Amino acid sequence: KQEVTQIPAALSVPEGENLVLNCSFTDSAIYNLQWFRQDPGKGLTSLLLIQSSQREQTSGRLNASLDKSSGRSTLYIAASQPGDSATYLCAVNSGYSTLTFGKGTMLLVSP
Amino acid sequence: SAVISQKPSRDICQRGTSLTIQCQVDSQVTMMFWYRQQPGQSLTLIATANQGSEATYESGFVIDKFPISRPNLTFSTLTVSNMSPEDSSIYLCSARTSVYEQYFGPGTRLTVT
Repeated sequence: KQEVTQIPAALSVPEGENLVLNCSFTDSAIYNLQWFRQDPGKGLTSLLLIQSSQREQTSGRLNASLDKSSGRSTLYIAASQPGDSATYLCAVNSGYSTLTFGKGTMLLVSP
Repeated sequence: SAVISQKPSRDICQRGTSLTIQCQVDSQVTMMFWYRQQPGQSLTLIATANQGSEATYESGFVIDKFPISRPNLTFSTLTVSNMSPEDSSIYLCSARTSVYEQYFGPGTRLTVT
């Protein structure tokens, strides 16, 4: 059974800092990995999707890497802003229908 | 990509009643799913909504409690039946495109009193 762990559970940084969120998974036989953002009481916004054959994906100030063999992914956020404050969820697609989610990292960026 | 809408966005219901949540996708998608997110927790898959046939439920979820319909490739409903306070959660509809990227609706926040 796939298990996904995210570290840290919470992170508080001043505006402008670069930061790294970590995601690890137990079964390396994955199709892809997706990073989402969730604002309080809201649904999920897809940030980045990395296919199992890829090493990284970039979108603006976000960069996600994938090391499938070691079961790890990182989400790098450059020059953080207060608007980045949200919960970030890592989800692994291990099969045809199921996404397995981590518990998320709650990020607070203070002005 | 896919844009997903859900109705209602939130509701407060009494114990023992049922609520049906609607999910509409702006394009035809291969797969639709229903998730639950209990307070302070991550997402848990309830079931995969299959077009024209019975939904596929995950362990711990049963059709009598969470009946699901999917009459076509863009629409699905989830009913939460005989509700109790433990059913208070955010319920999220999700859809997968052919490239396996998954999209989520804005969620339905349910409070059961």
